[in-house]
Amino acid sequence: DQQVKQNSPSLSVQEGRISILNCDYTNSMFDYFLWYKKYPAEGPTFLISISSIKDKNEDGRFTVFLNKSAKHLSLHIVPSQPGDSAVYFCAASKAGTASKLTFGTGTRLQVTL
Amino acid sequence: DSGVTQTPKHLITATGQRVTLRCSPRSGDLSVYWYQQSLDQGLQFLIQYYNGEERAKGNILERFSAQQFPDLHSELNLSSLELGDSALYFCASNGGGAYNEQFFGPGTRLTVL
Repeated sequence: DQQVKQNSPSLSVQEGRISILNCDYTNSMFDYFLWYKKYPAEGPTFLISISSIKDKNEDGRFTVFLNKSAKHLSLHIVPSQPGDSAVYFCAASKAGTASKLTFGTGTRLQVTL
Repeated sequence: DSGVTQTPKHLITATGQRVTLRCSPRSGDLSVYWYQQSLDQGLQFLIQYYNGEERAKGNILERFSAQQFPDLHSELNLSSLELGDSALYFCASNGGGAYNEQFFGPGTRLTVL
């Protein structure tokens, strides 16, 4: 049962343009949604997160939008830079100390010159 | 650098063998999580320890076990290894951040031949 889904395995965007990565979920009990970036041969790096009671969170070039009614979230990167090329994972968790992350399968972003 | 360390970085072994993966969490973090990533899949939660005690279990095989020691480092033991156990194994820790964000180590790449 894939509770968190990233339906686009890859995305290519030109440098300077906006990158939009999408994520859908099925479990309405999730309290937090997180985005991680992963380079090859490294562990995932936490990027940005949002609480289920909010619809937007912004941190520099990164903005996450949450649409609870559609069970959909998206990560916007503006402007995209070549160093943003990586695999991006969407993850979700419930509140509390037993708070495992449920991950999507990732989207590989390629930012071209 | 997330502050989470994992050893070894690479491990090559044969079917039927047993290996131990080690993780040291960030200073002060009480929770340790183990995840498995197979072949460009998302990360699958295996098990969580909190201050020395098992807190949550995911899709962890009976051949796998883990423990967290008084100094809070954790070990994941994989026994009777099969070809399908070849994967990246990540450890993460958190200290109760606002969004349950977890910080990941660089991973151990296990290859079973």
